Amino acid sequence: AQSVSQHNHHVILSEAASLELGCNYSYGGTVNLFWYVQYPGQHLQLLLKYFSGDPLVKGIKGFEAEFIKSKFSFNLRKPSVQWSDTAEYFCAVKISNDYKLSFGAGTTVTVRA
Amino acid sequence: SAVISQKPSRDICQRGTSLTIQCQVDSQVTMMFWYRQQPGQSLTLIATANQGSEATYESGFVIDKFPISRPNLTFSTLTVSNMSPEDSSIYLCSVEMEADTQYFGPGTRLTVL
Repeated sequence: AQSVSQHNHHVILSEAASLELGCNYSYGGTVNLFWYVQYPGQHLQLLLKYFSGDPLVKGIKGFEAEFIKSKFSFNLRKPSVQWSDTAEYFCAVKISNDYKLSFGAGTTVTVRA
Repeated sequence: SAVISQKPSRDICQRGTSLTIQCQVDSQVTMMFWYRQQPGQSLTLIATANQGSEATYESGFVIDKFPISRPNLTFSTLTVSNMSPEDSSIYLCSVEMEADTQYFGPGTRLTVL
């Protein structure tokens, strides 16, 4: 079965600090990769996704993620966080041609002003 | 993407009762999904609901406890039956749109006393 690991449970940063959240998955074949964000009191939103092509993908609000196939990783980054980036971040993986989306446990990011 | 609404947004219920959650999408979609997000945890897929066929349940979830209807391409319901406090969760519906990407509704926060 597919598993998705997010290494950080809770990250606390100051504004303007850089952010990197780790995500690893277990499936060895072709996958589609996603990062979702859930801001306080809001619903889950798609931040970015990777299906194929350039392994460095850019999403909304200045976020980017890099797919490293050899490491089974899809880490999320932002060079300079803002207070408004305080949220819960979920990595999700979908095996190509399957409908199931497997989620990591989530990382709570708190940005201090 | 799609505009997805859920009703109710939250409810407090007594144990032993049932609650039906509605999910409405503003466009026709083939695949709809129901997830559960227990407090402090990630999302777990309950079942997949395709119009015109029986819902497909994931391991650990059964139709008697979580009956699902999918009468058309824009609407689905999930019923949480014979509730206990362990059913207290956020229940989310999602739809699969372009390029195998899922978009999520705002969720229904259920508290069972």
